[in-house]
Amino acid sequence: QVQLEESGPGLVRPSQTLSLSCTVSNVSINTPNFYWSWVRQPAGKGLEWIGRIYMTGNTHYSPSLKNRVAMSIDTSKNQFSLELTSVTATDTAVYYCATDRISYGFAAWGPGTLVTVAS
Amino acid sequence: SFELTQPTSVSVSPGQIASISCSGNKLGDTYVCWYLQKAGQSPVLVIFQDDKRPSGIPERFSGSNSGNTATLTISGTQAMDEADFFCQAWDDDSGWVFGGGTKLTVL
Repeated sequence: QVQLEESGPGLVRPSQTLSLSCTVSNVSINTPNFYWSWVRQPAGKGLEWIGRIYMTGNTHYSPSLKNRVAMSIDTSKNQFSLELTSVTATDTAVYYCATDRISYGFAAWGPGTLVTVAS
Repeated sequence: SFELTQPTSVSVSPGQIASISCSGNKLGDTYVCWYLQKAGQSPVLVIFQDDKRPSGIPERFSGSNSGNTATLTISGTQAMDEADFFCQAWDDDSGWVFGGGTKLTVL
């Protein structure tokens, strides 16, 4: 079954760039009809979709974050990545990566990684 | 922007039926997914395409979607079902949208 794992710094300074990677196992990131999404969840709050990327590099970002988000994909490493610029304390959250199959929902999620924005 | 509205909390007695609603404009025109999330864990997909269960999800979980409301129903609710539940749908302008989440308490 598909497995995902997030990695990256747990602490980011305000105004800096948050960078995370997601390593995918047991399925090729080039599999047709698989999108790769990022979701975040502040402590005690709900889920917020950040955006997704397809194997071609095509992206779709949440309108509320699109001015600060960039995603990329590295097929040689079977990884995809997230960059969020100009972070503030409100970007503190657990960040998840997930498979995003067309019409099939987010069937697999990583364990999540806590990113704290603080000086 | 497209929004999905869920009740903040739902309570149910063990063995009874729990229903969690998710409301959005013309929600019935798109597919809805449901996720269960227990404390400290990643979300788990329990319903996709309105009413389909992934492999391994118990039959007591079912879903429906019509008009402006989707509903997740848990029949014969068990103590282990106590969790947060989130609905999700796609909007061409907003992308994926999640409901605010419903805390299910099994009393």
